[in-house]
Amino acid sequence: KQEVTQIPAALSVPEGENLVLNCSFTDSAIYNLQWFRQDPGKGLTSLLLIQSSQREQTSGRLNASLDKSSGRSTLYIAASQPGDSATYLCAVNNDMRFGAGTRLTVKP
Amino acid sequence: DTGVSQDPRHKITKRGQNVTFRCDPISEHNRLYWYRQTLGQGPEFLTYFQNEAQLEKSRLLSDRFSAERPKGSFSTLEIQRTEQGDSAMYLCASSPVGQSSYNSPLHFGNGTRLTVT
Repeated sequence: KQEVTQIPAALSVPEGENLVLNCSFTDSAIYNLQWFRQDPGKGLTSLLLIQSSQREQTSGRLNASLDKSSGRSTLYIAASQPGDSATYLCAVNNDMRFGAGTRLTVKP
Repeated sequence: DTGVSQDPRHKITKRGQNVTFRCDPISEHNRLYWYRQTLGQGPEFLTYFQNEAQLEKSRLLSDRFSAERPKGSFSTLEIQRTEQGDSAMYLCASSPVGQSSYNSPLHFGNGTRLTVT
């Protein structure tokens, strides 16, 4: 059974800092991995999807990497802003096993 | 593209009552997913449809839960004889047809928050 873990559970940083969020999974036989953002009381917004054949994807200040062999993905956020404050979730495959998320707070 | 729409946004019901939620996916998205999310946790997969066919159901989906997608467009999730443990956010997502549907991003609605008193 696929298990998805996200570390840290919560993170607080000052505005402008670069940061890395981690996602690990136990079964490397995946089709894709997707990073989402969730604001309080809202649904999830897709940030990046990495296919199993890819090693990274970039969108603006976000960069996600995938290392299937080690069962890890990272989400790098450059020059963080208060508007980045949210919970960030990773999910594996389209039956979507989710991690519990990392709650990010960026302080102005 | 109007996004995935869920109705109602909030539902408060008494234990033992039946509730039904509706999800309207993005048009032309042939896959539709239901998830449940409790506070501080990631969403838990419940079931998904490809067109009108229900292809997978989680063991979380007890016999009190039923989902339908009769015409391959909108979907309903019904919970019978609700229990306090059913209190959660119920999320719907859809994904487009692609060469490989496994590599199509999911688009989520804002969810229906259920409170069972």
